[in-house]
Amino acid sequence: SQQGEEDPQALSIQEGENATMNCSYKTSINNLQWYRQNSGRGLVHLILIRSNEREKHSGRLRVTLDTSKKSSSLLITASRAADTASYFCATDAGTYKYIFGTGTRLKVLA
Amino acid sequence: GAGVSQTPSNKVTEKGKYVELRCDPISGHTALYWYRQSLGQGPEFLIYFQGTGAADDSGLPNDRFFAVRPEGSVSTLKIQRTERGDSAVYLCASSLMEGAGGYTFGSGTRLTVV
Repeated sequence: SQQGEEDPQALSIQEGENATMNCSYKTSINNLQWYRQNSGRGLVHLILIRSNEREKHSGRLRVTLDTSKKSSSLLITASRAADTASYFCATDAGTYKYIFGTGTRLKVLA
Repeated sequence: GAGVSQTPSNKVTEKGKYVELRCDPISGHTALYWYRQSLGQGPEFLIYFQGTGAADDSGLPNDRFFAVRPEGSVSTLKIQRTERGDSAVYLCASSLMEGAGGYTFGSGTRLTVV
């Protein structure tokens, strides 16, 4: 079963614009992570945010977490064509395994 | 090794056959995870190991699926009597310890059952 669900399912933007993706989840968590996947193969870890954190930055990435709404957002600023990929959130649901959402397919047009 | 290695990268097998998928995690990573991903979907949890023991195998779909990690490093996912519905990309990931997050994923094995 899927713990998280990303929104939108697909997003198409112009290079230089910002991209925002949202993740909603169902049960309490300790941590939430965001991953990127190119070409349907290996996933790359982007950022981990803990349940007691509200915002975290890494380069052009900004992640927020609202545990009261059970939601998180990933913002990519000044997008580039190379950011074209699928993005997934993953939550631990209080256990040691991470459950992935359904993903947002981002396309950045040059 | 430098990353998580999965072999083979592609496997085509006939329905009913037995397959083994191998995962070689990052040296020193005690936690190892198997996921399965179908086209257009997110990775689906199968099983994870902490050391040699399967700490949680609740995601294995049925008893045709089995995984081992006898020495606490390399893991093998075994699928008996394969069915066409088993076709997917099987992903392996490792992390320094369970619950640490920040998984390092391998490139996956694309399994096609014909």
